[in-house]
Amino acid sequence: DGGITQSPKYLFRKEGQNVTLSCEQNLNHDAMYWYRQDPGQGLRLIYYSQIVNDFQKGDIAEGYSVSREKKESFPLTVTSAQKNPTAFYLCASSLFSYNEQFFGPGTRLTVL
Amino acid sequence: AQTVTQSQPEMSVQEAETVTLSCTYDTSESDYYLFWYKQPPSRQMILVIRQEAYKQQNATENRFSVNFQKAAKSFSLKISDSQLGDAAMYFCAYLNSGTYKYIFGTGTRLKVLA
Repeated sequence: DGGITQSPKYLFRKEGQNVTLSCEQNLNHDAMYWYRQDPGQGLRLIYYSQIVNDFQKGDIAEGYSVSREKKESFPLTVTSAQKNPTAFYLCASSLFSYNEQFFGPGTRLTVL
Repeated sequence: AQTVTQSQPEMSVQEAETVTLSCTYDTSESDYYLFWYKQPPSRQMILVIRQEAYKQQNATENRFSVNFQKAAKSFSLKISDSQLGDAAMYFCAYLNSGTYKYIFGTGTRLKVLA
């Protein structure tokens, strides 16, 4: 079945540590996205990528980094520079810019 | 910059009744797309309905329909014959044509009462 997978579902990090969230899709979509979801704030765009080896900052990119070495993969690294990383992170993909996005099940990151 | 506003943080509806969720947006563009997404307690986001701004006809998907008022920049979602499974967070989203930056509203939590 085609879809988007995110792992792990729950992630715990100590302050000062970097952590990488995985996102894989087998939908053959060109575009991939990372969102952060906090209570009462909806979804905020962190990074997005239109094609392999290219990505752009979203509205809240500070403290995060991404790579897009393969079409099906778009990992997100939450660095120690991110001041308040505890949140729910959603990965999404779309075939073209005007198509709807398909979302993964999300990763809940908690900083201890 | 474009913005999306959902002014109803929470709504309730009796099972089998009809409910309308509001969404307004601000843009100077003429070509764009609007979406409603549903996020149930599992937190898996699912597309409910999609509207192209150049289409005057309101989109419909089974029990879900929209009232798209381009001049008023309004995009409300009507859910008919509400079911318990409709209980979820609903997000309105905006996308400029030719871009990849979706803008989401803050969401409306819908409760369905048995």
